[in-house]
Amino acid sequence: EVQLVESGGGLVQPGGSLRLSCAASGFTFSNYWMSWVRQAPGKGLEWVANMKQDESEKYYLDSVKGRFTISRDNAKNSLYLQMNSLRAEDTAVYYCARAMDFVVFWGLGTLVTVSS
Amino acid sequence: EIVMTQSPATLSVSPGERATLSCRASQSITNKLAWYQQKPGQAPRLLIYGASTRATGIPARFSGSGSGTDFTLTISSLQSEDFAVYYCQQYNNWPPLTFGPGTKVDIK
Repeated sequence: EVQLVESGGGLVQPGGSLRLSCAASGFTFSNYWMSWVRQAPGKGLEWVANMKQDESEKYYLDSVKGRFTISRDNAKNSLYLQMNSLRAEDTAVYYCARAMDFVVFWGLGTLVTVSS
Repeated sequence: EIVMTQSPATLSVSPGERATLSCRASQSITNKLAWYQQKPGQAPRLLIYGASTRATGIPARFSGSGSGTDFTLTISSLQSEDFAVYYCQQYNNWPPLTFGPGTKVDIK
């Protein structure tokens, strides 16, 4: 059974940093593109970033470019999202997803709140 | 960036009735469209990809159609568990991958 478990969310002040993690199991992690998708409270879904199996391709939403970095450790079956210079508008549930384009498998999400 | 729109924003339907949800892309996305269902407090669930292919385990009452810029999700006979928010998403031209704003299907 495919499982994606996010962690690392929490309350952070504007301008601060957080690192999200996603632990993957139930499939061969190194064979798949992975993504982060977020959802602000009461709002719709927004793709944030994705990356290829070997990290040779990474893509970002324009509003997070230069602030967020997606990475992975295939030996640890883990996906990461380093978020710097956080803004109030980054407040959202962040979902880890096994996906290059459309998402078949989603994690349960981790809430990031940016507030003073 | 391809902008996705959905209509209506809210659809009120009685159980057993048919629901028709629309999604439109700002330019052609061929058939590279997915539909998701999301219930409160849950992650989204993939229903349809390739505009019309049901994902694994999705009941036959869900069907998708369309190509180019106009797409439809039809739920043939609404069950109680189908009341949720539905999102469309294009994956023809990215980055960015883009979602529609959603259609909420609620009980009439």
